[in-house]
Amino acid sequence: GNSVTQMEGPVTLSEEAFLTINCTYTATGYPSLFWYVQYPGEGLQLLLKATKADDKGSNKGFEATYRKETTSFHLEKGSVQVSDSAVYFCALPRSYNTDKLIFGTGTRLQVFP
Amino acid sequence: SAVISQKPSRDICQRGTSLTIQCQVDSQVTMMFWYRQQPGQSLTLIATANQGSEATYESGFVIDKFPISRPNLTFSTLTVSNMSPEDSSIYLCSVDRTAEQETQYFGPGTRLLVL
Repeated sequence: GNSVTQMEGPVTLSEEAFLTINCTYTATGYPSLFWYVQYPGEGLQLLLKATKADDKGSNKGFEATYRKETTSFHLEKGSVQVSDSAVYFCALPRSYNTDKLIFGTGTRLQVFP
Repeated sequence: SAVISQKPSRDICQRGTSLTIQCQVDSQVTMMFWYRQQPGQSLTLIATANQGSEATYESGFVIDKFPISRPNLTFSTLTVSNMSPEDSSIYLCSVDRTAEQETQYFGPGTRLLVL
């Protein structure tokens, strides 16, 4: 089946700093790729997704580009805010032709003013 | 997207008891999923619940411990039976919508502490 590897956290940044959270995957074919965010005390929210190679998903200032050459889907934001402090999960279907997702281990982001 | 609610939002339970968690969706969905998120961990799929059929459990999870009901296309329950402190986790329900295959939407979670 497919697999996902995500950089470990925590990632600690000052407000307005640039953010990158690395995510790489192995997969059969070209599945959709996802970033989910979990704010403190809440469930998971879909942050963005990309459904095919070279697609760029974006939302709330976050971006991630589906790069098949490097099998990566790194999450970036140009200027983080304190309110972005959360745990971020990279995810993809766990095998071909299934809706069941597998999730990375999660990366905790802490942004300080 | 989908609007998903869960009840209860949190609970503190004694070991040996059982808790039933409800998941309600604002529209009809084919597949509903139940996940467990242990403290500081990622998500682990417990089972998939399709309406009108038995739930499909993942390796390491059994029906006797986590019975699931799916009486209609908008509702499901997960019961955590004979609880022990190791069952302390966040339990999340999620759905995927036919029009957005592979994309799952999550409920707010149920935070369970077993003493």
